This record gives sequence, structure tokens and C-alpha cells, in this order.
Amino acid sequence: DAGVIQSPRHEVTEMGQEVTLRCKPISGHDYLFWYRQTMMRGLELLIYFNNNVPIDDSGMPEDRFSAKMPNASFSTLKIQPSEPRDSAVYFCASSSDGVYEQYFGPGTRLTVT
Amino acid sequence: GNSVTQMEGPVTLSEEAFLTINCTYTATGYPSLFWYVQYPGEGLQLLLKATKADDKGSNKGFEATYRKETTSFHLEKGSVQVSDSAVYFCALSERGYSTLTFGKGTMLLVSP
Repeated sequence: DAGVIQSPRHEVTEMGQEVTLRCKPISGHDYLFWYRQTMMRGLELLIYFNNNVPIDDSGMPEDRFSAKMPNASFSTLKIQPSEPRDSAVYFCASSSDGVYEQYFGPGTRLTVT
Repeated sequence: GNSVTQMEGPVTLSEEAFLTINCTYTATGYPSLFWYVQYPGEGLQLLLKATKADDKGSNKGFEATYRKETTSFHLEKGSVQVSDSAVYFCALSERGYSTLTFGKGTMLLVSP
């Protein structure tokens, strides 16, 4: 199995631009999670899906952030407009049972200048 | 709410030294407990887990025991290697919930 795939691995953009991060979960996994990691705040859960349906988006910082999962093999996290404080590593993870083991992708390092 | 507290790092050790990384938790129910490891430039991966009191999780020479009376889940390894250098995250999950609550992570640096 290829594991969780994220793209791009690195993204540098200017403030105000739209950013789209992509994730392909492990086939057969029903849960998909989006996290953000920063030095100051550690690892934060932004949103998670079960069977393509958003279950809890309480961690999404503000309306500039949105996430979709149009099918079982693809999810996007969009930031529009981006701001320098959005600079972080964004991880996607998937799981077959939601809890006992989450498989993380390699992350997307986002830099907003 | 739930929370996980880990010792601050970095923890700096010489190869073959004994490792302990402390983790304590607060939970309203009876959680499952986990240790995840993040190697440089990679995502997190599950290292070990324990689902009930007095359970011992173990993997790759690491172990941790679920202590309900002290609400702790300390990570230990008898002899660390340079390749163990990474960031270690303690986490919990409440029964009936599908999400993990992570600690802030503890960086381990092992020198030859």
C-alpha cells in the first residue's frame, strides 16, 4: 500500500492567494483527518470526515478555511485568502476505525509570505 | 475537557542510555492511550498503545504502562540508539469518540 499521499509537499505563496492542499487516504479507510502543526500550538485537529461526511469542523480556525471530501479517495483543504499566520505543516491522516491507529501522510509545508 | 501533558524537550541522551518521557492525562471518561513518533520530515506513526488500566504497550524496545491511579503513560526504553532521535507524542482517545487528543510532543536527540 502506498500510504496516505499528500500534495504538494511544499507550498510557498503570497498573502492573499488561494492555497489548496490535497490528500489521498489509504484505500478502505473510512475516516480522514486534517491536522495543522506549528511550533507554538503543536498538533491541532482541524476537521475530520467519516464516509466522506464532515463530522467535526470545530477546529477550523476561521471561514477562510474549508475542506471537502468529494469521494472516498480524495480530500482537499483550501485556504482563501491565505495569511502569514497560516504558515505551518498540514497533515492528512486516515483510519479504518477512527481511533486506534491513524496513518499520517508526509505533510505539506506551507509558507505564506 | 481532555488534555495530555508531556515533559518539555529536548531530551538529550548518549547512545545506550535509558530513556523516560513522562506523560500524564486528564480525561472525563476511560480513555485509550497512545504514543506516536515523528521522524524528521515525516508524518506521525503509531509506536504503541494501551486500551485499559495496567495494560503495557510495547514495540521496538519501547514500552509504556497505563496507570489509571496516577493518570500516566510514561514512555521508556532501556537502551536508546541514534536512530531513535525523533519527536514523541503522547495521545488519548475517549471511548465512543473518533478523535485523538495529542500532547505537544517531546524531542529526543541521541548522540553516538
